Amino acid sequence: GQQLNQSPQSMFIQEGEDVSMNCTSSSIFNTWLWYKQDPGEGPVLLIALYKAGELTSNGRLTAQFGITRKDSFLNISASIPSDVGIYFCAGQPAGGAQKLVFGQGTRLTINP
Amino acid sequence: DTGVSQNPRHKITKRGQNVTFRCDPISEHNRLYWYRQTLGQGPEFLTYFQNEAQLEKSRLLSDRFSAERPKGSFSTLEIQRTEQGDSAMYLCASSLAPPWEKLFFGSGTQLSVL
Repeated sequence: GQQLNQSPQSMFIQEGEDVSMNCTSSSIFNTWLWYKQDPGEGPVLLIALYKAGELTSNGRLTAQFGITRKDSFLNISASIPSDVGIYFCAGQPAGGAQKLVFGQGTRLTINP
Repeated sequence: DTGVSQNPRHKITKRGQNVTFRCDPISEHNRLYWYRQTLGQGPEFLTYFQNEAQLEKSRLLSDRFSAERPKGSFSTLEIQRTEQGDSAMYLCASSLAPPWEKLFFGSGTQLSVL
């Protein structure tokens, strides 16, 4: 089945630094989304991308839908303590499946 | 709009027991999804409903698992004869329809099978 490979698995950065993470697949996806999950809670949507090449921002977050439709990246600029958490990419596979496939997550830790 | 509600938040059970989880979606949302998430992994799709019809089931949903959504409102997920490998967070999500930005997750039910 479709799988999403997310990297890095974890990041340890200083407050104020920029962060970049990405997600790749061997399959084509129609939609890419990025979620953040805090401990004991469900994922919360950060950015949704619907077209190949699309670049979308949400405050300090920027994400892009890769041209090949097989990858996406998320950047966070000027990180702050509340950015700590686990970030997941998710995608709707091409072919009509009405479900999302998730990556393994990137755990972000910020040193003040 | 109170969000997606899941009960219980935590469940501890002994191996071999049956457990049932409930999900109350956002009012008027016609799609309801169940996902399972184990420690250190992303959510894995289990099944989804469009109104009361169960339209897709993952191969992860063994015959010990059954999900229902009577009347197209709340949903239940039952696991029979629980095994230690069933220990996970079970997440419910609901949406009115695509686009996916309208999909909202509940806080999950954390199952521990001893």
